[in-house]
Amino acid sequence: AQKITQTQPGMFVQEKEAVTLDCTYDTSDPSYGLFWYKQPSSGEMIFLIYQGSYDQQNATEGRYSLNFQKARKSANLVISASQLGDSAMYFCAMREVNTGNQFYFGTGTSLTVIP
Amino acid sequence: NAGVTQTPKFRVLKTGQSMTLLCAQDMNHEYMYWYRQDPGMGLRLIHYSVGEGTTAKGEVPDGYNVSRLKKQNFLLGLESAAPSQTSVYFCASSLRWGDSNQPQHFGDGTRLSIL
Repeated sequence: AQKITQTQPGMFVQEKEAVTLDCTYDTSDPSYGLFWYKQPSSGEMIFLIYQGSYDQQNATEGRYSLNFQKARKSANLVISASQLGDSAMYFCAMREVNTGNQFYFGTGTSLTVIP
Repeated sequence: NAGVTQTPKFRVLKTGQSMTLLCAQDMNHEYMYWYRQDPGMGLRLIHYSVGEGTTAKGEVPDGYNVSRLKKQNFLLGLESAAPSQTSVYFCASSLRWGDSNQPQHFGDGTRLSIL
């Protein structure tokens, strides 16, 4: 079974609008971390935001927020006030404490911001 | 701020040739990882290391070997390159799990083509 599932291969959003990128995960480990990364066309991986499995509040970092629904095992990324520079691939990842500290990545969502 | 440095950035090999990719990090991270990224498949873990002198297999280890003789370096070797190993290779490093919000830090990637 896939550890991380991103069901949206591609998304479009109008500039200045908000967009939600979906991510669901599968784990039986009670202690884990969820991460989102951005990969622009230049290729580098940029860390955006983190949510711990024991965190009570949703994480926020500037225009990024993580909608963490633990019972549903979802960790959706919300980007508010989209900008043209947000056009990129976005990857959701999970780190489990009890599996050798591996990180598991989803297949990514390509976001295009339309002017 | 060097972070994670990968060399080389680009390389073209002929089938059957061997080569080594070098990853160096200056953040004193315990954990290091090698991934490959192929279109539509996200990042797949090849091998990883949780400390100097230790390595472990990831999701797609066949055809690759690794070594971590020094804490700051993680080498990925292809003994006999095959066209199926054409990919973009990323190295990453991270701290030990403990601090709750420690992401991986990535290098800029190595684009490898096998003819």
